Order: sequence, then structure tokens, then C-alpha cells
Amino acid sequence: SQTIHQWPATLVQPVGSPLSLECTVEGTSNPNLYWYRQAAGRGLQLLFYSVGIGQISSEVPQNLSASRPQDRQFILSSKKLLLSDSGFYLCACRGPPLDIQYFGAGTRLSVL
Amino acid sequence: TQLLEQSPQFLSIQEGENLTVYCNSSSVFSSLQWYRQEPGEGPVLLVTVVTGGEVKKLKRLTFQFGDARKDSSLHITAAQPGDTGLYLCAGARTSGSRLTFGEGTQLTVNP
Repeated sequence: SQTIHQWPATLVQPVGSPLSLECTVEGTSNPNLYWYRQAAGRGLQLLFYSVGIGQISSEVPQNLSASRPQDRQFILSSKKLLLSDSGFYLCACRGPPLDIQYFGAGTRLSVL
Repeated sequence: TQLLEQSPQFLSIQEGENLTVYCNSSSVFSSLQWYRQEPGEGPVLLVTVVTGGEVKKLKRLTFQFGDARKDSSLHITAAQPGDTGLYLCAGARTSGSRLTFGEGTQLTVNP
């Protein structure tokens, strides 16, 4: 089965600084990949998804961007962080089975 | 508009009690999944249900998919402190489509 690696686990950044969160996947090829943001104790908001290298779809307008430079690498970025970018960021990979998702351990981002 | 409504939002019970968590929608789903998430970690899949009326059991957890495939429930028998966590339901409107997540039920089981 797939293994999702995310780093860093926690990050504290000042407002206006850049951001780069990395996600890599093992155990599969050509996966569908997803970035979610989660408020404390709540559901997941889909930010971006990618069906292949260089293919990114954005779900909501925001201060963030995503890139997929390699088949099993998915990066979440920002040029200038806002306070509202704080949250728990999760990377996920679609199954098999087709409709389930495997998640990384997440990155807790605090923008101060 | 939230496609999947979970209830209750918070639940705090004593060890040994039973509980049921609900996931409801006005839309039909091809499949529904239940995940459990512990603090500081990603959600982990518990079960997938795909057939209307389907019931699946995982030790003390019983999952049911509604006959019309619009809702699901999770029942835990004799809850234990280790069951504490955020329970999320998620659904795919059609096979292979993106998942829609509910807002979650935060369960606390007190010893």
C-alpha cells in the first residue's frame, strides 16, 4: 500500500514569509494527489489536487499554490504567508480501492 | 452548502457506554468511508461501504450504509478510551470522483 511522507511536522513562520511544504509518495505510480487544510477538530477542506506531473487543479481561491514537479512529489507553496494560512495541512493519495484516500501525518503551520 | 452532515459534533461519554454517530446527506453517494483521526496525525481509513443497506463490523464498531445510499451510521459498543478521536465520514458522488468530507465528530471516552 501507499506511504505518504510529509515534512516538516510543525512549522512556525512570520507573516509575509514564504512557505514550502513537501509531500512524497511511496508504493504507487502516477497517483492522484491532494492537499487539504483542516481547522482544529473539524473536517477537511480540499485545496488542490493533481492527476499527473504539472497538472494542478485549485478548489478555492487563496494565497497558496501547488506544484507537482515529479510523479510522486507534491509541493504546497506561498510567496507571502498570511495569518489566516495557519492550520493543519494534509497530503493525501487516492487508493486503490479507487474511492479511498491515504493520508500523510500532516504539517501544523502557525503563522505569527 | 455542506453535502455531508455529521452529528453530533462533540460527544463525551464514559468507558463502557454505547454510542452512534450519524452522517447524512440529501445526495446519493457511490460509496461512503469512515476515517478516524488522532491529534497531530492524518485520518486513517476504518471502512468503506458501497452497497445500500450494507452493514460492516470491525470488532466493536458497526457501520451501516442507508438503503438509499444517502446516509451512514457508526455505532460503537462498549466504548474504550482508545476510541477517542475525530471520526470523519467521506463520500464519493460517483466512483473515482473527489471525496467530500463531513465536519467530523469529536469523541472523548473517559476512563
